[in-house]
Amino acid sequence: AQSVTQLGSHVSVSEGALVLLRCNYSSSVPPYLFWYVQYPNQGLQLLLKYTTGATLVKGINGFEAEFKKSETSFHLTKPSAHMSDAAEYFCAVSDSGANSKLTFGKGITLSVRP
Amino acid sequence: EPEVTQTPSHQVTQMGQEVILRCVPISNHLYFYWYRQILGQKVEFLVSFYNNEISEKSEIFDDQFSVERPDGSNFTLKIRSTKLEDSAMYFCASSEYGVPSYGYTFGSGTRLTVV
Repeated sequence: AQSVTQLGSHVSVSEGALVLLRCNYSSSVPPYLFWYVQYPNQGLQLLLKYTTGATLVKGINGFEAEFKKSETSFHLTKPSAHMSDAAEYFCAVSDSGANSKLTFGKGITLSVRP
Repeated sequence: EPEVTQTPSHQVTQMGQEVILRCVPISNHLYFYWYRQILGQKVEFLVSFYNNEISEKSEIFDDQFSVERPDGSNFTLKIRSTKLEDSAMYFCASSEYGVPSYGYTFGSGTRLTVV
């Protein structure tokens, strides 16, 4: 079985500050890891994903995440927050098999203060 | 960019009533999914569907739930007799290959409120 832990439900940062959203996973097989973002009244949009290869992955809107197997983590970062980054962020894990489902964390709401 | 379309965006129904949530997946996608998120909780997998049959379903997906692809474009989730605890945001997703590395496209969700 796979699981994702996103500690806390809300993170608030100032505009221009570093964004760090934490994600830890549990998986008995090599994981595929994802970050999704949900803006108000919109669907879940893929920010970035790790499948194999380079452990530092870059996504859209300046976000990146690093897969650390030893720490079972896949934290999301952005060097400088923008007001438009305010949204809910979900970490998810799956295995590599065909028709695999995603297992999500609870999500974290990011607020950006002017 | 192709989208997954879900209707309605909000639905309020009385307990015990049947509801049908509708989704139009991306046209060349072959794998379809329903997820739900109860307020304040995790997004949970409900069911996956391929080649006109259920591929996998979760424990949540009991006999009260059913899915159907009635024509070449729609993918529906039916809840036969809604309960208060069915109140949630329901997300439809589709995938071209059903392989995670190729990604899934999610709709914007239907917020179901059972009163």
